[in-house]
Formats: sequence, C-alpha cells, structure tokens
Amino acid sequence: GAVVSQHPSRVICKSGTSVKIECRSLDFQATTMFWYRQFPKQSLMLMATSNEGSKATYEQGVEKDKFLINHASLTLSTLTVTSAHPEDSSFYICSARDPIDRGNQPQHFGDGTRLSIL
Amino acid sequence: AQSVTQLGSHVSVSEGALVLLRCNYSSSVPPYLFWYVQYPNQGLQLLLKYTTGATLVKGINGFEAEFKKSETSFHLTKPSAHMSDAAEYFCAVSGSSNTGKLIFGQGTTLQVKP
Repeated sequence: GAVVSQHPSRVICKSGTSVKIECRSLDFQATTMFWYRQFPKQSLMLMATSNEGSKATYEQGVEKDKFLINHASLTLSTLTVTSAHPEDSSFYICSARDPIDRGNQPQHFGDGTRLSIL
Repeated sequence: AQSVTQLGSHVSVSEGALVLLRCNYSSSVPPYLFWYVQYPNQGLQLLLKYTTGATLVKGINGFEAEFKKSETSFHLTKPSAHMSDAAEYFCAVSGSSNTGKLIFGQGTTLQVKP
C-alpha cells in the first residue's frame, strides 16, 4: 500500500538552530501534502497545506517565516523550523494525498518527527 | 465551517468488553468522516471512513462505525476489546469537495485492562 516516509524520526538540537524535516511519498505522486503539529496528549493541528510547485497555504496563527515549507517535487515536501526555540518542541506529522485515492483513504501519514529544542 | 467533538478524552474497558468511542461532528456540507488510530510516537492509521452510501461502515481490526445524520454522530465500536487496541483514537471530518483537508477531534485514549 501507499507509504509516506518522514525523516528524521527524532531530533534534539540547541535553541537557535534551524531544523529541516522531510516528507516523502514512496510509491505515489502527491500533489498535496499536509503538515501537522501535535502537542502531548492533544490532537493534530493543521499547520499548512503544501501544493507541489506553489506556495504553501498556512492556517491562521501559523508563522510563515518560522515554518518554511517547500514542495519542490511530487514526492517530497520539507518543513524547516527556523531559529527553533524550546516552545517549538513538539511532534510534527506530515501526510500526503494520493490523487488516485488508492487504499481508499484521503491522506497517508508519516510516522512523525519528535523535535526537542534545548 | 466544520468541527469534531469526541466525548470522553479517556475510555477504559476490560479485555473482551465492548468498545464505544463517541464522535459528533458539525458540518455545513455533507461530511466525509474518518476514524484514525495512533500508537505512541507514530503517525495515524486509518481505521475506517464514511463518504456516501451505507451508513454502517466496517473497518480494520474489527472496528465499525455508524453514520447517523439526525444525530450528527459517527461513533466507533468494537464488540470485544483486545489488549492491542490500547491507543489514541481520532475522529476527523472533511468536506464533500474532498480537498483532503481534515479537521480532527481532540482524541480519545483507549485503555484496555486485562
């Protein structure tokens, strides 16, 4: 079935560092990818919708300059947390939409990235 | 606008007992409804979904859910809980335009006691 690979699974870095998270669709072309943030014991909050070849659409309250999203190819979207601070520590999850909707589901999720800023 | 409310942030059942996780939605358009399961430090796995047609939907791992428009509900059930069912469960809604954008509920932690 469709698989989405998210890398890295865990990152620990110092405050002020920029961190890049990759989301790849392994066996389908994803014209649309989504980025979510999840705090402990809470739900997933959509941060932005990433469309291949165009600018991402950010949800209200999400800082565009803080969370840079690039979707340069049909199989890769990246989220860069710029100048990360401890309050950016969270679990980040990406998902990809298979336009053919194989597997009969709207989005295929990566396994998430645990980001810890010291 | 769309929203999802999951009643009960934590549900505890005994192994072999009925599982019932509640979900109510609000949508100005015909909804697509989903249940996902999340294990610790992992992404989400689709259990089942409702788009159109039969209102009783069967999913993986013995789960099923029934779409009740009059009650704006989409509760998840399983006749007999297994220890491996312990996880976080999320109900989600998207619009019938099927842009793929999902709105999630707050989540329900299912605990299964031996």
